[in-house]
Amino acid sequence: EVQLVESGGGLVKPGGSLRLSCAASGFTFSSYSMNWVRQAPGKGLEWVSSISSSSSYIYYADSVKGRFTISRDNAKNSLYLQMNSLRAEDTAVYYCARDLTSQPWLVSNFDYWGQGTLVTVSS
Amino acid sequence: DIQMTQSPSSVSASVGDRVTITCRASQGISSWLAWYQQKPGKAPKLLIYAASSLQSGVPSRFSGSGSGTDFTLTISSLQPEDFATYYCQQANSFPPSVTFGGGTKVEIK
Repeated sequence: EVQLVESGGGLVKPGGSLRLSCAASGFTFSSYSMNWVRQAPGKGLEWVSSISSSSSYIYYADSVKGRFTISRDNAKNSLYLQMNSLRAEDTAVYYCARDLTSQPWLVSNFDYWGQGTLVTVSS
Repeated sequence: DIQMTQSPSSVSASVGDRVTITCRASQGISSWLAWYQQKPGKAPKLLIYAASSLQSGVPSRFSGSGSGTDFTLTISSLQPEDFATYYCQQANSFPPSVTFGGGTKVEIK
């Protein structure tokens, strides 16, 4: 059974940093591109970032470019999101999601999602 | 960036009704469109990908159609477990810049 479990969320002050993790199991993690998608309270979904299976292709939404860094450790079956210079508008539930595509340079659709971890940016 | 516009934003329907949700892209995206279902407090669930392909395990009452800029999600006979919010998502652009529609809440009439 595919499982994605996020952790690392919490309360942080504006300008602060946080590192999210996503532990994957039940599939060959090193064969799939992975993504972070967020959802502000009561709002819709927003794609944040994507990383290909071997980390060769990395993409970011304009809203986080230069502040967030996605990475992965295939030996540990783990995905990460380093978030710096956090703003109030980054407050959201952050989901990790597996990509459906087998093409490493593409981002397509997301077939498995974790349960999410809440990040709150507030003074 | 490609914008995705969903309509309606909410719909009230009864069990057994046929429900149709539309999604319009600001530019052509071929068939690079997916539909997700999200229930309160839960992660989204992939229903349809490539505009009309049913994800494994999803009931056949869900169907998708369209290409280019106009897409439709149809629930042929609404069931109690289908009351949720539905999102479309495009993944056509390169370099990738994924965008979701604003969501459609399907409520009990």
